[in-house]
Amino acid sequence: DAKTTQPPSMDCAEGRAANLPCNHSTISGNEYVYWYRQIHSQGPQYIIHGLKNNETNEMASLIITEDRKSSTLILPHATLRDTAVYYCIVRPHLESYNQGGKLIFGQGTELSVKP
Amino acid sequence: KAGVTQTPRYLIKTRGQQVTLSCSPISGHRSVSWYQQTPGQGLQFLFEYFSETQRNKGNFPGRFSGRQFSNSRSEMNVSTLELGDSALYLCASSLGGTSGGETQYFGPGTRLLVL
Repeated sequence: DAKTTQPPSMDCAEGRAANLPCNHSTISGNEYVYWYRQIHSQGPQYIIHGLKNNETNEMASLIITEDRKSSTLILPHATLRDTAVYYCIVRPHLESYNQGGKLIFGQGTELSVKP
Repeated sequence: KAGVTQTPRYLIKTRGQQVTLSCSPISGHRSVSWYQQTPGQGLQFLFEYFSETQRNKGNFPGRFSGRQFSNSRSEMNVSTLELGDSALYLCASSLGGTSGGETQYFGPGTRLLVL
């Protein structure tokens, strides 16, 4: 089961900041928070990830609360092309190669950017 | 650097047939994961291959199988197709280490329709 909770949908005006929340209250100390987005019927696109500190890249910023139980993805100036489903995923640090890696996707947040 | 490629992009099969899908990872990536996406179940992990060995497996029947070649390219096979196998099949590649901070990058997917 997914270990994250996200609102099913959000609207944002074009040019404004889009703030997408994610709750991960059961996160463990060695688990990372990942964000992906999926534009209709395309493959998911990696956005950003973090462990404890806030992170920023050319696409977005990730704010993780001090207790790490929730995070917010910020798209600073949303455009119509940012309309997509956004997935917040918690992924553990792997202790051995035998564990492998898999992503457990929830239902995500459907973000609609409106003109 | 070229991204993850998947072939074919679209496929139509009939019930009872089998199908083979192909995935070429990003150059230098040694891990390939496969996911199935359907409207009802969302994105679900199928299996992961690393160094030609299945390293992790999701909860799918044995009709779903895969393999990885020495050049890290991967194929997945679905035998005795059922209507419910109609889905978008996604492949993701990563370097293959054990860190939870390692990112998976997705291909565009293969859209399979079973009639």
